[in-house]
Amino acid sequence: KAGVTQTPRYLIKTRGQQVTLSCSPISGHRSVSWYQQTPGQGLQFLFEYFSETQRNKGNFPGRFSGRQFSNSRSEMNVSTLELGDSALYLCASSSSGGAYEQYFGPGTRLTVT
Amino acid sequence: GENVEQHPSTLSVQEGDSAVIKCTYSDSASNYFPWYKQELGKGPQLIIDIRSNVGEKKDQRIAVTLNKTAKHFSLHITETQPEDSAVYFCAALLDSNYQLIWGAGTKLIIKP
Repeated sequence: KAGVTQTPRYLIKTRGQQVTLSCSPISGHRSVSWYQQTPGQGLQFLFEYFSETQRNKGNFPGRFSGRQFSNSRSEMNVSTLELGDSALYLCASSSSGGAYEQYFGPGTRLTVT
Repeated sequence: GENVEQHPSTLSVQEGDSAVIKCTYSDSASNYFPWYKQELGKGPQLIIDIRSNVGEKKDQRIAVTLNKTAKHFSLHITETQPEDSAVYFCAALLDSNYQLIWGAGTKLIIKP
């Protein structure tokens, strides 16, 4: 079975721009969660989608949004980028749903200049 | 707010020895505690998890113990090997919002 894939792997953007990251979950997994990983704040939960509906949301500003398609693929969008948005963005899928038994992708490294 | 404290931040052990990483959580209602291993350039990989209805779980060289009264859980790796070198994260599932709260990570170094 193929693992979780994320594209692109690396991205450099300028402050004020917007960015869209993509995640394809493991086949059959309907739950997709997104995390931000930084050296200072560690791993922080952004949101979870299940069957195209946002089921849970962390404490991030509205500039961070996401969606899930009928094939369970998910996208995350960050608008009006700030320097502090530089991070590794991780996507995780689960067959159990929520935070249980999550399988992570390799992440997208976003650098905002 | 709720948090998970993880110690030590760095652990260096001789190949073949055992390694123990400890975490303490604050939400007494937490009932799911996974451990993840993250290698350089990769996403975290689930290596073992435990639910609050058991006190210990083993999988080959890896074991996790849970003490709900003291609100702490530990990862034990026996007969360490070079491929065990990585950053290990513990996490606890908050009962209030079903979100994982993560520890800050432990860098495990296996010395040959």
